[in-house]
Amino acid sequence: AQSVTQLGSHVSVSEGALVLLRCNYSSSVPPYLFWYVQYPNQGLQLLLKYTSAATLVKGINGFEAEFKKSETSFHLTKPSAHMSDAAEYFCAVSDQLSGGYNKLIFGAGTRLAVHP
Amino acid sequence: GAGVSQSPSNKVTEKGKDVELRCDPISGHTALYWYRQSLGQGLEFLIYFQGNSAPDKSGLPSDRFSAERTGGSVSTLTIQRTQQEDSAVYLCASSPSDRNTEAFFGQGTRLTVV
Repeated sequence: AQSVTQLGSHVSVSEGALVLLRCNYSSSVPPYLFWYVQYPNQGLQLLLKYTSAATLVKGINGFEAEFKKSETSFHLTKPSAHMSDAAEYFCAVSDQLSGGYNKLIFGAGTRLAVHP
Repeated sequence: GAGVSQSPSNKVTEKGKDVELRCDPISGHTALYWYRQSLGQGLEFLIYFQGNSAPDKSGLPSDRFSAERTGGSVSTLTIQRTQQEDSAVYLCASSPSDRNTEAFFGQGTRLTVV
């Protein structure tokens, strides 16, 4: 079975600083990877996804992520943090079950705090 | 609407009562997921539907929890004899099932057991 590990349950950055949220995965097949964001009291919203095209994926709100097969990583970055980026971020991988079913496997999440 | 709809948005119930949570997925989405998110915690997988069948029920925490899906569309999650530890936000998501497509989430149902 595939799995996702997000290093750091809490990350705090200053406004304007680089945001780096880490995600490592394990997969026995070529992975499909996703980053979601959850703002307070809301559902999850897709930020970006990797589906085996370009290894550098650009998403909404200035976020991007780079797929590195050799490191089994899919870290999320943003050059300059805004106060509005404060949220919970989840990395996910699409698992393939027997019978051809697909299922999303989520990491534990990283809570990003942005301070002035 | 075009998105995943969950009802009710908030539910307060007394300990020991049964509750039903409803999820209306996006039309045409064959995959449907239920997750639980306790306060300040990550996403806990509960159950996954492909059409009306549930190939993965491994996340249901006890036999008080059950779920069904009818007509390949609406799903209900039922919690019997609710306990205080069941208090959480229950999230539903649907997907077209292709590996390269994302799941779309509803806003969740906040369940409080008093």
